[in-house]
Amino acid sequence: QKEVEQNSGPLSVPEGAIASLNCTYSDRGSQSFFWYRQYSGKSPELIMFIYSNGDKEDGRFTAQLNKASQYVSLLIRDSQPSDSATYLCAVNTETSYDKVIFGPGTSLSVIP
Amino acid sequence: DVKVTQSSRYLVKRTGEKVFLECVQDMDHENMFWYRQDPGLGLRLIYFSYDVKMKEKGDIPEGYSVSREKKERFSLILESASTNQTSMYLCASMGGQKGATEAFFGQGTRLTVV
Repeated sequence: QKEVEQNSGPLSVPEGAIASLNCTYSDRGSQSFFWYRQYSGKSPELIMFIYSNGDKEDGRFTAQLNKASQYVSLLIRDSQPSDSATYLCAVNTETSYDKVIFGPGTSLSVIP
Repeated sequence: DVKVTQSSRYLVKRTGEKVFLECVQDMDHENMFWYRQDPGLGLRLIYFSYDVKMKEKGDIPEGYSVSREKKERFSLILESASTNQTSMYLCASMGGQKGATEAFFGQGTRLTVV
């Protein structure tokens, strides 16, 4: 079982709709969760992080965390063509050295 | 501002050449990582280092080595470049509070081996 899993997509949504991206993780000891956005040919950039169960909102983005279900999601409201990118879910694991485990990414396409 | 800098944005090398990819961070992070990214395969961890002169193999270390002589610098070495090492290489530096580590990426190096 992979440590962090995501649907690879591609996920297509019309402009103005809500895009929903999902991620599951296997390590119950994970404490922090991140969403990175990666445009084609560019490096990943951090857009959201969440530590506590529940929702965290930042502008059009909402991260949702459910530790009991080992599930984290990212909602993008009022999707714009500029949101078209690959979204990487990442999880911090508690080991003797801190490192972040990345999921394979979900490709999102917002259709004008 | 946090900064991770990779020495080259684009690189073309010949098969059999020894290739050095350099990465420098200015955040005083202990942990640094080298990934390669290929279409459909996501980020794959090659090597990482959690201290000066320390290194650990990641998921795909074959054909690569690394060097960490100073805290801020982490180098990836392709001992004898091959065409299947043509890829996007990403360096990451990770730090933050315990249990809240964030990854900061360099701009990436697109390496083509011909």
